[in-house]
Amino acid sequence: QSALTQPPSASGSPGQSVTISCTGTSSDIGGYNYVSWYQQHPGSGPKLIIYEVTKRPSGVPDRFSGSKSGNTASLTVSGLQAEDEADYYCSSYGGSNNLVFGGGTKLTVL
Amino acid sequence: EVQLVETGGGLIQPGGSLRLSCAVSGFTVSSNFMTWVRQAPGKGLEWVSVVYSNGNTYYADSVKGRFTVSRDNSKNTLYLQMDSLRAEDTALYYCARGGAIFPPLDYWGQGALVTVSS
Repeated sequence: QSALTQPPSASGSPGQSVTISCTGTSSDIGGYNYVSWYQQHPGSGPKLIIYEVTKRPSGVPDRFSGSKSGNTASLTVSGLQAEDEADYYCSSYGGSNNLVFGGGTKLTVL
Repeated sequence: EVQLVETGGGLIQPGGSLRLSCAVSGFTVSSNFMTWVRQAPGKGLEWVSVVYSNGNTYYADSVKGRFTVSRDNSKNTLYLQMDSLRAEDTALYYCARGGAIFPPLDYWGQGALVTVSS
């Protein structure tokens, strides 16, 4: 099972919006609505911020939103804040009880 | 409060074995899906294995036949037995609550570092 494809980096100024893409295949992202996004700050474990493509866990600001079109999922961070600077990972169910992750995107708040 | 604490990491020679523990408080391990995820130094996340509440286990191809997941219900602890370790298994190993399909990985530990080197 190949990793999902994410851009290695993304950036935006405070208050702006940024979108991170996550591209897979019809065997993972395109085949299931089980896409999640995780935020990871240096030295910390990942934190769930989006699940089932568009849903936010309790406590996650509504500045974070998710979507999917075909084999590509996207995470949009609106109203960028300094604390949003982190690594972001997508994941998708990949069939046969496998979970597949993206390679990660480093988000820089300029 | 939910806590997952991984222990058991360390330096091990290629071909050796190591067992990681994930001690859980705040929920019952045996009633939940539990997942192991690893992260090689400076790299992204890689799914390793999942154990469902019914005890069924599944593994990534890269560790199948070498890694084994188990649970101790009396200790509310998850384990990852790692045998025939290779240099490419060097990583920070996280345990998390959740499965490959659903639910998502909503609680994570801080990770245990495994270094495979001679």
